[in-house]
Amino acid sequence: ETVLTQSPGTLSLSPGERATLSCRASQTVTSTYVAWFQQKPGQAPRLLIYGASSRAAGIPDRFSGSGSGTDFTLTISRLEPEDFAVYYCLHYGDSLHTFGQGTKLEIK
Amino acid sequence: QVQLQESGPGLVKPSQTLSLTCTVSGDSISSRTSYWSWIRQHPGRGLEWIGYIYHTGTTYYNPSLRSRLSISVDTAKNQFSLKLNSVTAADTAVYFCVRDGYFGSGSYFPDYWGRGTLVTVSA
Repeated sequence: ETVLTQSPGTLSLSPGERATLSCRASQTVTSTYVAWFQQKPGQAPRLLIYGASSRAAGIPDRFSGSGSGTDFTLTISRLEPEDFAVYYCLHYGDSLHTFGQGTKLEIK
Repeated sequence: QVQLQESGPGLVKPSQTLSLTCTVSGDSISSRTSYWSWIRQHPGRGLEWIGYIYHTGTTYYNPSLRSRLSISVDTAKNQFSLKLNSVTAADTAVYFCVRDGYFGSGSYFPDYWGRGTLVTVSA
C-alpha cells in the first residue's frame, strides 16, 4: 500500500501570495492516478486536480498540479480569500484509494 | 446534476452494526463509467477511504476494515449501502457516499459527494 505524506501540515500565507503544497508517495506511482481535493469546514471535499495536472471542471486556473514519481505539488498562484481550506492528495492504485493526511492553508 | 444523499441512524451502540444507505439521483448506479464509494472522516481528522462497489456487485475494500465491512448495491432503487460490523468508538465519524467518475487511462476519482452524515458510536 502506498502511503502519502503531505507537507507542510499547516501553511500560513496572505491573500495574493503563492501557495505550494507537497505530497510525497512512499513508492513510485503513476501520475495518472494522483488527485488533489479542497475541503472547507462543514463541507464535503471538492476535486481540484486529477491525473496530477489536469484541472477538474469549473476549477479556476490559479490552481495547478505537477509532479511525477514520488513527488507531487499543488500550486495556487495567487491566493484568494476563499482558497483558505484543507487540501488533500489522493492516490488511486491497485483498486484502492489512499489519502494524504492533509495540509491546512490558513490566513496569515 | 449528480446528487447523493446518505441516510441511516446517527447513533449506534458499541458492538452493533452501522448501516447507511446512499440514494443517487442524476446518474444511474448501473453506469459503466462510475464506481460508488464510501469515505469517512473522523472528527477533526483527515479522510479515510472505506471501499467502493461497481454496479455488477464487484467490491474493493480498505484492508483495515475488510473483516467488518460489506458494501452492496440496489440497482432497482439506484442506491448503494454500507454495513460495518462490531463498531467501536473509533468508528465515530462523518460518512460520505461518493461517486467515483472515470477520468481516463483506467483512473477513477471521487467527483460527486454527498453532504455526509455523522455517525456516533456510543452506549
